[in-house]
Amino acid sequence: QKEVEQNSGPLSVPEGAIASLNCTYSDRGSQSFFWYRQYSGKSPELIMFIYSNGDKEDGRFTAQLNKASQYVSLLIRDSQPSDSATYLCASGQAGTALIFGKGTTLSVSS
Amino acid sequence: NAGVMQNPRHLVRRRGQEARLRCSPMKGHSHVYWYRQLPEEGLKFMVYLQKENIIDESGMPKERFSAEFPKEGPSILRIQQVVRGDSAAYFCASSPQTGNGNQPQHFGDGTRLSIL
Repeated sequence: QKEVEQNSGPLSVPEGAIASLNCTYSDRGSQSFFWYRQYSGKSPELIMFIYSNGDKEDGRFTAQLNKASQYVSLLIRDSQPSDSATYLCASGQAGTALIFGKGTTLSVSS
Repeated sequence: NAGVMQNPRHLVRRRGQEARLRCSPMKGHSHVYWYRQLPEEGLKFMVYLQKENIIDESGMPKERFSAEFPKEGPSILRIQQVVRGDSAAYFCASSPQTGNGNQPQHFGDGTRLSIL
C-alpha cells in the first residue's frame, strides 16, 4: 500500500517564526512531490512542487526533498496568521494519480 | 475564469436519488482527477481520466459510482442511489499532459454533497 505520512498536528508557531512541516512517503518510485494548503471549507491550493533532491525556494516557502530517506519537508519563513491552514503533502509518478497525506494543521499565533 | 470549474457548489439529495457532479478542467488541461474528502480527513483519490478514457479507477467504490470525461463537455462523476455515507466534499483537479513526472494538479472549489 503506497502511503504518505504526515503528523496531523496541530503545529503551533508564533508569528514571525519558521514553521517546519514534514512528510514521509513509502513508494520509492515516486518522482514528484507537492505541497498544498487548504483552508477550512476551501479547496486545496498548490504551494510548491519539487522533483529533484535538495531545496527549492519560492518566496517565504522552501521545499526540501531527500529521496534516499523518502522525506519531504516544507519550511515557511516569517510565518503569518494567514498561513494558518492544513498543509497537504502528495507524491506521485508519471501517469498515475497523486497520493495525499492526511495533512498537518498549522496554527500561527499573533 | 481560467480555473477548474465545478458545479454545483452544493448539492442536496435524498437517499436513493442520483447525484451528478460536473467538472470542467483548466484550459489546456487534458487530465482530470476526482477526490473525495470527509470532514477532518485527507483527500481520497477516486478516479483519473483523460478524454474518453478512464486511466485509473482504483479508488472508486465498485457499485453506484461512475465517472466519464467525454470528448465534448465536462467530466461527470455520477453517484446512483445515494446513501448518507456519500455525504462529503468532492473535488476535481486537472493537470496538463504528463511528461517525465506528474504535472501539478489544480483543484476546483469542490461540490459539497449532502444526503438527507
